[in-house]
Amino acid sequence: NAGVTQTPKFRILKIGQSMTLQCTQDMNHNYMYWYRQDPGMGLKLIYYSVGAGITDKGEVPNGYNVSRSTTEDFPLRLELAAPSQTSVYFCASSSGPAGDEKLFFGSGTQLSVL
Amino acid sequence: GEDVEQSLFLSVREGDSSVINCTYTDSSSTYLYWYKQEPGAGLQLLTYIFSNMDMKQDQRLTVLLNKKDKHLSLRIADTQTGDSAIYFCAESIQGSASKIIFGSGTRLSIRP
Repeated sequence: NAGVTQTPKFRILKIGQSMTLQCTQDMNHNYMYWYRQDPGMGLKLIYYSVGAGITDKGEVPNGYNVSRSTTEDFPLRLELAAPSQTSVYFCASSSGPAGDEKLFFGSGTQLSVL
Repeated sequence: GEDVEQSLFLSVREGDSSVINCTYTDSSSTYLYWYKQEPGAGLQLLTYIFSNMDMKQDQRLTVLLNKKDKHLSLRIADTQTGDSAIYFCAESIQGSASKIIFGSGTRLSIRP
C-alpha cells in the first residue's frame, strides 16, 4: 500500500525556472493538499482540492498553480521559481475534510531555488 | 488570528518521560492533533483528542487538554531513542476542508 507518493525528493532550480512537483495517492481520497514547511515554521497550506476538477487557494498560493484532473493526482506547478520558494513541500490526502479526518502525508520534496 | 505555538527543542534522557507543550488560540477548534515527523519522512498522525475531552491515553502516550487555557500537552512515558523526531501540534475546525493550523514543531532529542 503506497499511500501518498511525491516526486522528486530533491530538486535544485535556478531563479526563473519552472517545475512540477508530482503527487499521487492510491487510497481513493477526494481531498488533497499541498503544504510548504519553512525552517522553524509550521506547515502552511498552498492549495487544496476537494475532488477531481475542483481546486482552491490556501494560505500562501502566490507563485503556484495546481490542477486536479483525476482523483489520484494533484501536481503543483512553480512557473517562475524564486528564492522565497526554497522550502520543503508536502502533499497530503484525506477521505473527508481536513477538519474531520486524519491527513496522510507524502515524504516531501526538498526544493532549493538559487 | 489563529495561531499554534510550541517550543522548538526538547532534550530528555532515555527512559525518562517527555512532555511536549502547545498553546492554541482558536476556541472553535474541534480536534487537536499530534503529528510525528521522522528524518526524511512526512508527518504521521500520532494521536488526537476531541475538544470535549480532557485526557486521552494510548499506551506510552498521554494527551492532556486544558480548554480553558487553550493548552495541549503530549507526554511520552519511558522515552526511547526511536522517539527522536519533530512533533507537531495542530488544531482543526470541524467540517473545514482546509482549516488545520500547525505549530512550528518541537524537536525531541534523546540523551543516553
